Amino acid sequence: DGGITQSPKYLFRKEGQNVTLSCEQNLNHDAMYWYRQDPGQGLRLIYYSQIVNDFQKGDIAEGYSVSREKKESFPLTVTSAQKNPTAFYLCASSIGRRQTNYGYTFGSGTRLTVV
Amino acid sequence: AQSVTQLGSHVSVSEGALVLLRCNYSSSVPPYLFWYVQYPNQGLQLLLKYTSAATLVKGINGFEAEFKKSETSFHLTKPSAHMSDAAEYFCAVSEGKGFGNEKLTFGTGTRLTIIP
Repeated sequence: DGGITQSPKYLFRKEGQNVTLSCEQNLNHDAMYWYRQDPGQGLRLIYYSQIVNDFQKGDIAEGYSVSREKKESFPLTVTSAQKNPTAFYLCASSIGRRQTNYGYTFGSGTRLTVV
Repeated sequence: AQSVTQLGSHVSVSEGALVLLRCNYSSSVPPYLFWYVQYPNQGLQLLLKYTSAATLVKGINGFEAEFKKSETSFHLTKPSAHMSDAAEYFCAVSEGKGFGNEKLTFGTGTRLTIIP
């Protein structure tokens, strides 16, 4: 079955460390997105990519970085510059510009905790 | 810019009662609107979508939503609540003209509790 796979499900980071969250999709979707979810704040967009080798900052990009070298993959790195990284991170994808917007498909999320 | 407002961060209903979750939108173009459901520690699952066709949209698990342009609303309803409906629900609006690579803006969510 097609879908989005996020790994790991749980991740612990020490102060000053960079960590990378994986997101892989086999839906042949052009666009991919990273959201951060905190209690009571809904979903906030970190980065998005509408096509391979291109990506744009979202609303809260500071302290994060991404790459989009392959259509299937959109990893997110949480750097040591992100002062409050503890959150639930969601990856999503959508079909692409030439198609009607039928919404996103989401992964199951990665819960990141600073220890 | 497009936005959505979900009225009520927490809603409680008795099992078997009507579920009504409210969403109002603001959009400069005809909107594409979505409702998602999230169970604890999981991703979001699409419940239903409005893409400028029928104003009454039916989704999964017995949910439906009605697009009302005059009220700029897209409220989610279910005639009879089930214990399995307990979850968080998000309303979202597409930021553009309905192309498949447009960003979605999400509301802050409504947590639905079902009382036995």
